[in-house]
Amino acid sequence: AQTVTQSQPEMSVQEAETVTLSCTYDTSESDYYLFWYKQPPSRQMILVIRQEAYKQQNATENRFSVNFQKAAKSFSLKISDSQLGDAAMYFCAYRPPYSGSARQLTFGSGTQLTVLP
Amino acid sequence: KAGVTQTPRYLIKTRGQQVTLSCSPISGHRSVSWYQQTPGQGLQFLFEYFSETQRNKGNFPGRFSGRQFSNSRSEMNVSTLELGDSALYLCASSWVATGELFFGEGSRLTVL
Repeated sequence: AQTVTQSQPEMSVQEAETVTLSCTYDTSESDYYLFWYKQPPSRQMILVIRQEAYKQQNATENRFSVNFQKAAKSFSLKISDSQLGDAAMYFCAYRPPYSGSARQLTFGSGTQLTVLP
Repeated sequence: KAGVTQTPRYLIKTRGQQVTLSCSPISGHRSVSWYQQTPGQGLQFLFEYFSETQRNKGNFPGRFSGRQFSNSRSEMNVSTLELGDSALYLCASSWVATGELFFGEGSRLTVL
């Protein structure tokens, strides 16, 4: 079974600074999807960034980028120029390929990010 | 394009009752998944529906059931409610080829 581990329950960052959230996962698949979701106090899970395992290039979305290390099974999220609106719970998630029978997301336990003004 | 819509947003039930939650996916999305979120267990997969068929089910008792209609709208039902069923129930829809799920705002169930 796949597992996703987020070892940092809480993180804080100064506004305008950079922060990196860690995530490791375990899978025997060679092709899969990885995601970072953000859940603000409003509760709605919002997709931040996605990475397909077959792509070697790290995904980037504006101030958000990932460091995907497939061999190490590591998928960290870097937030640059942190803003107050980035404060939220961040979840790392793994999803098997479409062809698999078990296609649900497996989530990590989350990292609560606080942005300090 | 409208997002994933879940109703009701909040509800309070008592032990032994049953509850039905509704989810309307993003237009064109045929896959709908349900997740339970609790402080203790985190986010846990309940089930996934695609084209009115349950494709996969998580490790939950038979009291938890669901279905999907021909218009892709989905409902989940919990019978004989227990205190431990208090949770945020999240529905997500996806265009399966791309993998990412788009979530609704959730239904907050409180069981007294």
